[in-house]
Amino acid sequence: GEDVEQSLFLSVREGDSSVINCTYTDSSSTYLYWYKQEPGAGLQLLTYIFSNMDMKQDQRLTVLLNKKDKHLSLRIADTQTGDSAIYFCAGSTGGGNKLTFGTGTQLKVEL
Amino acid sequence: GAVVSQHPSWVICKSGTSVKIECRSLDFQATTMFWYRQFPKQSLMLMATSNEGSKATYEQGVEKDKFLINHASLTLSTLTVTSAHPEDSSFYICSATLGGALQFTQYFGPGTRLTVL
Repeated sequence: GEDVEQSLFLSVREGDSSVINCTYTDSSSTYLYWYKQEPGAGLQLLTYIFSNMDMKQDQRLTVLLNKKDKHLSLRIADTQTGDSAIYFCAGSTGGGNKLTFGTGTQLKVEL
Repeated sequence: GAVVSQHPSWVICKSGTSVKIECRSLDFQATTMFWYRQFPKQSLMLMATSNEGSKATYEQGVEKDKFLINHASLTLSTLTVTSAHPEDSSFYICSATLGGALQFTQYFGPGTRLTVL
């Protein structure tokens, strides 16, 4: 099955940019997603990128996809304290509609 | 749009009892619903995939007789944890897909915290 890896923790100062990285093994993933999870809550879909795209920008969020290296990143510009949460990347698996989630990165935004 | 609700949001039960968790798509018809469990500080683990009117497909290692899934309509799926034990305590999250061009995009419910005493 697919493996999706993320760094566990990232700490940034308010106003700085945050970059959360993700590596995956299944090159057949059609879509790759970023979800945000706040404490005790479900997952909120932030953005997604189709596998034939290199970059997608959505307001403060920029997703970069390097298919050759199987590397996905999420950049959050002007990070705010409300961005503190756990961020999961996920890829569609094996051509089906199941998702495989990464290990999650906890983002802490400090004043 | 694409709002998914779960009920209850949290439940505490005694060991040996059964607990039913509901997952509803509020403003769309969900072709497929998924059930996950999440342990503290861990990622989501897919338990089963549920399609309306058919039997759920369980992931390897998930006991289908313990975790009963019923998907009676395009807007409702239920997960029943039968004869719950403390090791079943976890955060259970459902998701639903719209289908069509967005068949891979899953919209998640807020989760249900189950504590078994």
